[in-house]
Amino acid sequence: RKEVEQDPGPFNVPEGATVAFNCTYSNSASQSFFWYRQDCRKEPKLLMSVYSSGNEDGRFTAQLNRASQYISLLIRDSKLSDSATYLCVVNYRNDYKLSFGAGTTVTVRA
Amino acid sequence: EAEVAQSPRYKITEKSQAVAFWCDPISGHATLYWYRQILGQGPELLVQFQDESVVDDSQLPKDRFSAERLKGVDSTLKIQPAELGDSAMYLCASSGSQGFTEAFFGQGTRLTVV
Repeated sequence: RKEVEQDPGPFNVPEGATVAFNCTYSNSASQSFFWYRQDCRKEPKLLMSVYSSGNEDGRFTAQLNRASQYISLLIRDSKLSDSATYLCVVNYRNDYKLSFGAGTTVTVRA
Repeated sequence: EAEVAQSPRYKITEKSQAVAFWCDPISGHATLYWYRQILGQGPELLVQFQDESVVDDSQLPKDRFSAERLKGVDSTLKIQPAELGDSAMYLCASSGSQGFTEAFFGQGTRLTVV
């Protein structure tokens, strides 16, 4: 079983729609959680950290559920520019390795 | 804004040849990561440094790959000999501290082995 698993996608949504997807992690010793955004053939860039209480950054909302070992990302009022691959990243307390999911591809259409 | 610098951006090499990638992390960042990303997959950790020490190289194919960070600043990743299956994006990232802060990525080196 992979350490970090994501909804495979792709998610094809119209502009203005809401899209949400999850990421599950296998190691309960996980310490920190992040969502990164990656455009085609570019490097990953930090979208937001995920805090225990959940957090919001504009149209983006991230939630953490430690009991069920998953995090989620919700995008409201989708824009064409939100089209990208969203990578879930988990950092483990024991070895501080950053483990990535395979990514969820979102395509927002006009 | 401080950036992670990587070079070259693109590299085409013939199989069995040697190839090297260079990374200069954000100034002051003690943790440096090398990742490999195959198209359609997430980045896979190859090696992680804390200052000049290797913290994790369990996924580094040591028969052909080597990495060093001699002075705890910039780093070099080498492949010798390159194989066709090594074609991928090689990403370098750095972090201010282990575990609690995000990592920042360089633009990557896209390697094609022919």
